[in-house]
Amino acid sequence: RKEVEQDPGPFNVPEGATVAFNCTYSNSASQSFFWYRQDCRKEPKLLMSVYSSGNEDGRFTAQLNRASQYISLLIRDSKLSDSATYLCVVKTSGGYQKVTFGTGTKLQVIP
Amino acid sequence: DTEVTQTPKHLVMGMTNKKSLKCEQHMGHRAMYWYKQKAKKPPELMFVYSYEKLSINESVPSRFSPECPNSSLLNLHLHALQPEDSALYLCASSQGTSGQETQYFGPGTRLLVL
Repeated sequence: RKEVEQDPGPFNVPEGATVAFNCTYSNSASQSFFWYRQDCRKEPKLLMSVYSSGNEDGRFTAQLNRASQYISLLIRDSKLSDSATYLCVVKTSGGYQKVTFGTGTKLQVIP
Repeated sequence: DTEVTQTPKHLVMGMTNKKSLKCEQHMGHRAMYWYKQKAKKPPELMFVYSYEKLSINESVPSRFSPECPNSSLLNLHLHALQPEDSALYLCASSQGTSGQETQYFGPGTRLLVL
């Protein structure tokens, strides 16, 4: 089982739709979680950190479920500019810090 | 300023060449990272420097040699690479390595080994 898994997609959704991605992680010692977006041939850019209580930033909502070891990202009212690959990132802190990227989920928002 | 810069943007090298990739940040971050990203794959962590000391080497072959001359600079020295090492090499930095620190990525160096 991969340490961090995502459905690769692609998710093809119409403008205005709501879309949700999940990301599962296998290491129960994981402590920090992030969502990044990566446009084609560009570097990953932070979309949002994921906090235990869940957090929202405009049209984006992130949730963490420690019991089931997954994080989610919800995008409401999708825009064409949301088309990208969404990477979940899991960090294990402590004596040995390990940062692991998920395989990414590709989103294509269609006019 | 949340910028991480990398040079060169593109690099083509032969298998016998020696080259270096450079990364710079002026955010006062004390952790810097090298990642390798192949097409349609996620970034894979190669090295982590914390307070200018190498803290993680993810079993990277010795033909890749990192160097951290000071807290703002990170180099990756390349020697005797193989064609399969062709990839996008991303540098990142963060405030530290524990907790919820965000990693900021540079634009990457696209490397082609012939």
